[in-house]
Amino acid sequence: KNEVEQSPQNLTAQEGEFITINCSYSVGISALHWLQQHPGGGIVSLFMLSSGKKKHGRLIATINIQEKHSSLHITASHPRDSAVYICAVKGGSQGNLIFGKGTKLSVKP
Amino acid sequence: DTEVTQTPKHLVMGMTNKKSLKCEQHMGHRAMYWYKQKAKKPPELMFVYSYEKLSINESVPSRFSPECPNSSLLNLHLHALQPEDSALYLCASSQAKESSNTEAFFGQGTRLTVV
Repeated sequence: KNEVEQSPQNLTAQEGEFITINCSYSVGISALHWLQQHPGGGIVSLFMLSSGKKKHGRLIATINIQEKHSSLHITASHPRDSAVYICAVKGGSQGNLIFGKGTKLSVKP
Repeated sequence: DTEVTQTPKHLVMGMTNKKSLKCEQHMGHRAMYWYKQKAKKPPELMFVYSYEKLSINESVPSRFSPECPNSSLLNLHLHALQPEDSALYLCASSQAKESSNTEAFFGQGTRLTVV
């Protein structure tokens, strides 16, 4: 079993829809990251969470430490939101991230 | 400046070539990382540098040789690579590896093709 599980693996939405991507983890963590990667491109950090909820524009991230679960929400989705969204946790002493397999989001106009 | 800059963006090399990938950050971060990412897979950790010292080597073949000449620079020297080494190589940095709540910053990656 992977230490970080994301669902769904693939998600297609119509422009304007509300989107939720889920992440569950099985290790003790100090922080959880939501990352965005466009095709062929580098990775952009969207959020780093250790508790509660954060909002940035149309993006909202929540984390429940007791349940070891986090969600990323996108309101009023737009085709430019199409990307792979990766959940990653920082749990080891080396400071490296443990990555989920990613959720590929396609938003259709 | 919150950027991690990687060069080159694309690299094609033969199996007998020697090349280097470069990564630079000016955020004062003391932890720097190399990751390898194959298509449709999450990144895999290769090396961690902490305060310019190699902290972890995730059983990476010796044809990959990292170097951290100073706190702002991280290199990955490549020699005698195989076609299966073709991948996106990502550099990342954070304030310090021991610090629990520091954000990770990633470069745009180098797309490496070995022919």
